[in-house]
Amino acid sequence: DAGVIQSPRHEVTEMGQEVTLRCKPISGHDYLFWYRQTMMRGLELLIYFNNNVPIDDSGMPEDRFSAKMPNASFSTLKIQPSEPRDSAVYFCASSPRRDNYGYTFGSGTRLTVV
Amino acid sequence: GIQVEQSPPDLILQEGANSTLRCNFSDSVNNLQWFHQNPWGQLINLFYIPSGTKQNGRLSATTVATERYSLLYISSSQTTDSGVYFCAVTSYDKVIFGPGTSLSVIP
Repeated sequence: DAGVIQSPRHEVTEMGQEVTLRCKPISGHDYLFWYRQTMMRGLELLIYFNNNVPIDDSGMPEDRFSAKMPNASFSTLKIQPSEPRDSAVYFCASSPRRDNYGYTFGSGTRLTVV
Repeated sequence: GIQVEQSPPDLILQEGANSTLRCNFSDSVNNLQWFHQNPWGQLINLFYIPSGTKQNGRLSATTVATERYSLLYISSSQTTDSGVYFCAVTSYDKVIFGPGTSLSVIP
């Protein structure tokens, strides 16, 4: 398996623009997680899905952020409109089991909003 | 929600030295994992260790679930061990990360 695949690897956008980050989980993994990493706040869990259904989105910072998982092989995290404080590395991870044995991260997307 | 603490926050070692990193958590958990984030930002799973002790080469980990802590041992450290070490707990389905220990191994 190719692992968890995220795209793009780097994104630079202007304030106010819409940004869409993409994630393809490992086939057969029923859980998908989105994280944001910054120096100040560390690794924050934004939202996670089980069988394509959002289970907990309490970490989503505000209404400008939204996440979808239309099928088992694809998820998106959208920021609209983007702001400079959204600059961070966004990671996607997937897991095959509820206890998260086999938990695997993607390589991340480094987002810079100018 | 559950709280995860790690100590020390920063650590500098001479190559060849040994070290112990600690993770404390505030409530019962389903699972605990240790991750290493290398200087290029990649997060790699080191151990899946809800309880007991495991070893993998120069690294070993021990979790005492009843006392809500886990330890990661690094022996004979190498410069390639540099990076950030995260402890992550699973509470129900959620995976919550600690703040990490930043390790620098100098030649």
